[in-house]
Amino acid sequence: DTEVTQTPKHLVMGMTNKKSLKCEQHMGHRAMYWYKQKAKKPPELMFVYSYEKLSINESVPSRFSPECPNSSLLNLHLHALQPEDSALYLCASSRSGPSYNEQFFGPGTRLTVL
Amino acid sequence: AQTVTQSQPEMSVQEAETVTLSCTYDTSESDYYLFWYKQPPSRQMILVIRQEAYKQQNATENRFSVNFQKAAKSFSLKISDSQLGDAAMYFCAYRSAWSGNQFYFGTGTSLTVIP
Repeated sequence: DTEVTQTPKHLVMGMTNKKSLKCEQHMGHRAMYWYKQKAKKPPELMFVYSYEKLSINESVPSRFSPECPNSSLLNLHLHALQPEDSALYLCASSRSGPSYNEQFFGPGTRLTVL
Repeated sequence: AQTVTQSQPEMSVQEAETVTLSCTYDTSESDYYLFWYKQPPSRQMILVIRQEAYKQQNATENRFSVNFQKAAKSFSLKISDSQLGDAAMYFCAYRSAWSGNQFYFGTGTSLTVIP
């Protein structure tokens, strides 16, 4: 199984809503990532979890709150978002540590903030 | 932080022809990995090809090959016999072998394939 799944595929939310994005992988990867991607732009790293611990937080606003409940799951909790947060949110996973490790990407959640 | 540069925001190629996408990077490390990812419109990002820095031999995957020039810090992607399904954004990426799990992406090249 070389798949990263993400739910939901699409999400529309108001600025006062609370919602969560979910990501799951069963490849035994111990590094998991959240990226934000605008159209025709590269993914912007938001968070990295390594062995279920937050290892990188790229100065993301607190309205985005990541959570890694176990080695297969990654959540991104959203609260009080702004219209400029509308984007494609990508989850990825890879093996952790010094080896020939590619990232596997999920299909993304297309988020629209009204 | 490492920087990855893709100097061609857009490229086009005639179907069945060959095209080369450029990527340069800046690093002081000697051990690292380089990747080319493909992202078709509204579709998932997938790995096209990867290269270990310590390997002198250029990686090849079917119609895709790289020209890795370590001294010049250059990692270009050649697509032979281009097909309509090759139309996508292509991102070059760098990952250190030793310092963390972070991937650094270039700004991307949008490839159009002309029938």
